[in-house]
Amino acid sequence: DQQVKQNSPSLSVQEGRISILNCDYTNSMFDYFLWYKKYPAEGPTFLISISSIKDKNEDGRFTVFLNKSAKHLSLHIVPSQPGDSAVYFCAAPSSNTGKLIFGQGTTLQVKP
Amino acid sequence: DTGVSQDPRHKITKRGQNVTFRCDPISEHNRLYWYRQTLGQGPEFLTYFQNEAQLEKSRLLSDRFSAERPKGSFSTLEIQRTEQGDSAMYLCASSLGWFGQAGTGLFFGSGTQLSVL
Repeated sequence: DQQVKQNSPSLSVQEGRISILNCDYTNSMFDYFLWYKKYPAEGPTFLISISSIKDKNEDGRFTVFLNKSAKHLSLHIVPSQPGDSAVYFCAAPSSNTGKLIFGQGTTLQVKP
Repeated sequence: DTGVSQDPRHKITKRGQNVTFRCDPISEHNRLYWYRQTLGQGPEFLTYFQNEAQLEKSRLLSDRFSAERPKGSFSTLEIQRTEQGDSAMYLCASSLGWFGQAGTGLFFGSGTQLSVL
């Protein structure tokens, strides 16, 4: 039962353009969402989060949008840079223990 | 370095052998988590400690797996009688209480890559 889904395994964009990574969830009880970035042979690094009381959160080049009615969130990276090339995971805590449920990940490649 | 530290970074073992991994969380963090990640998948939760108490275990954690956090500081994850299906990256993460209040997430270590031959 995949409660958090990232249906696009990969995305390729040109440097300077916008990258949009998508994530869907099935559990309406989720009230906090996170995006992580992962380079090969390293652990995931926290990128940005959003509470369900908001529909947008921005941090520099990164913006996360939340559409609760559609159970959908997206991460926008503008402008994209080659150093952004990595695997991106969305996640949600399933309980107050902070246990995170992760999506399968989307590999982003930003071409110079 | 004040991040989450994991040791070893890589472990190659033969099927049937026992292995043990160590995690040192960020020093003031009271919550510690173990995850497992296989190729093409996101990290999957294994177990959770609050201080020294193991409060939750996943169905993925078979009887061959055991985790401890004896003094509420570092933690160990042991796999007995390893199988080829145990090959994965084992990730440790920590946080100080509920990370949502700080607007952050869990802090992950670099992981231990296990290969069972």
